[in-house]
Amino acid sequence: EIVLTQSPGTLSLSPGGRATLSCRTSQSLNSPYIAWYQQKPGQAPRLLIHGASNRATGVPDRFSGSGSGTDFTLTISRLEPEDFAVYYCQQYGHSLPYTFGQGTKLEIK
Amino acid sequence: QVQLQESGPGLVKPSQTLSLTCTVSGGSISSGSYYWSWIRQPAGKGLEWIGRIYTSGSTNYNPSLKSRVTISVDTSKNQFSLKLSSVTAADTAVYYCARLCYPPTSFDYWGQGTLVTVSS
Repeated sequence: EIVLTQSPGTLSLSPGGRATLSCRTSQSLNSPYIAWYQQKPGQAPRLLIHGASNRATGVPDRFSGSGSGTDFTLTISRLEPEDFAVYYCQQYGHSLPYTFGQGTKLEIK
Repeated sequence: QVQLQESGPGLVKPSQTLSLTCTVSGGSISSGSYYWSWIRQPAGKGLEWIGRIYTSGSTNYNPSLKSRVTISVDTSKNQFSLKLSSVTAADTAVYYCARLCYPPTSFDYWGQGTLVTVSS
């Protein structure tokens, strides 16, 4: 099973700032099958990024994903008030199971 | 717009079987090359993938739960279901149903989730 480690655990930033969230996998992914999700309290996760760098339908372009191998990044430029939430990365390697990181909480400073 | 909705008992006794159904609307569960999944999240914790099913009935389960999980599909009702046997308090969580995009690498549509508590 591939383990995902997200850092930092909590990120405190101000609106208008830039957020950089990290996701490291325990094994190198042959294909960039990393996804990022946003979850707000009491809501289901929302797909933001798939294939490491492809924005899902309707996702603002201030969200971007990058990375390869074992290191992946979600960047949110120009933070809006509605961006403060918990973010999870998820992998699909060459075998099951799908696994998720433990999450990064993005909070208002 | 595809929508998913979980339904089932919110309280299950220890050692019994948890049963949930996900109803898909806005499209046929059989159309397209999609897998359908269950994912759970204990309060204040992260997400755990439980398993997936293709509309042919082919299934894959998380090895950590495989001995206790059954996922089935009823295409005539546009539904798929989860059964988790021999539950304990550790199975208390919000359970989500979700669609896997094609190729099946990420989850693009989610239900709102349903809280299942295991308690006597």
